[in-house]
Amino acid sequence: GENVEQHPSTLSVQEGDSAVIKCTYSDSASNYFPWYKQELGKRPQLIIDIRSNVGEKKDQRIAVTLNKTAKHFSLHITETQPEDSAVYFCAASIGNYGQNFVFGPGTRLSVLP
Amino acid sequence: DVKVTQSSRYLVKRTGEKVFLECVQDMDHENMFWYRQDPGLGLRLIYFSYDVKMKEKGDIPEGYSVSREKKERFSLILESASTNQTSMYLCASRPSGITGELFFGEGSRLTVL
Repeated sequence: GENVEQHPSTLSVQEGDSAVIKCTYSDSASNYFPWYKQELGKRPQLIIDIRSNVGEKKDQRIAVTLNKTAKHFSLHITETQPEDSAVYFCAASIGNYGQNFVFGPGTRLSVLP
Repeated sequence: DVKVTQSSRYLVKRTGEKVFLECVQDMDHENMFWYRQDPGLGLRLIYFSYDVKMKEKGDIPEGYSVSREKKERFSLILESASTNQTSMYLCASRPSGITGELFFGEGSRLTVL
């Protein structure tokens, strides 16, 4: 079955710097890759996603890149702010209709003032 | 505003007790999920349902069962709670389709003594 690895498990950056989180997946049939952000004590929420027919997607300070050949995708956050501090989960779709996800173990990002 | 509501935020149960965790969504979503969240392990799928009265096992179904009698309600049942089921449980729903967003509930933190 699908396996999603995520690195690093923790990441500390200075405010204003960039942060990059990387994920790899094993099932070449996966075709949708969302990223979820979970702030302390809150529910995970979708922040950006990418389909397998797209190489890169941007939304303001957040971008996601996908390399289908290498089976890896990355989250890039530029000009980090304290409110970016959270746990980030990557995921890859599985199942006949892509209805399920396998999640990575998460990355705890701390943005230091 | 979309909503996934879990019946209990915090529960404390004793070993061997039966536990019900209920989840209701108001978005008319076909798909509903129960995840378990443990530090360093990410979000692991216990069971999911793609239609009323339909259920499918996820990655860690042992010791759990589910019920979906109505489209908006998905219940997780621990027939005989054990200490290794102490965890955060997250319910989620999403519409059909490859890119449908997964909406999470607030979570239910279960402690089994």
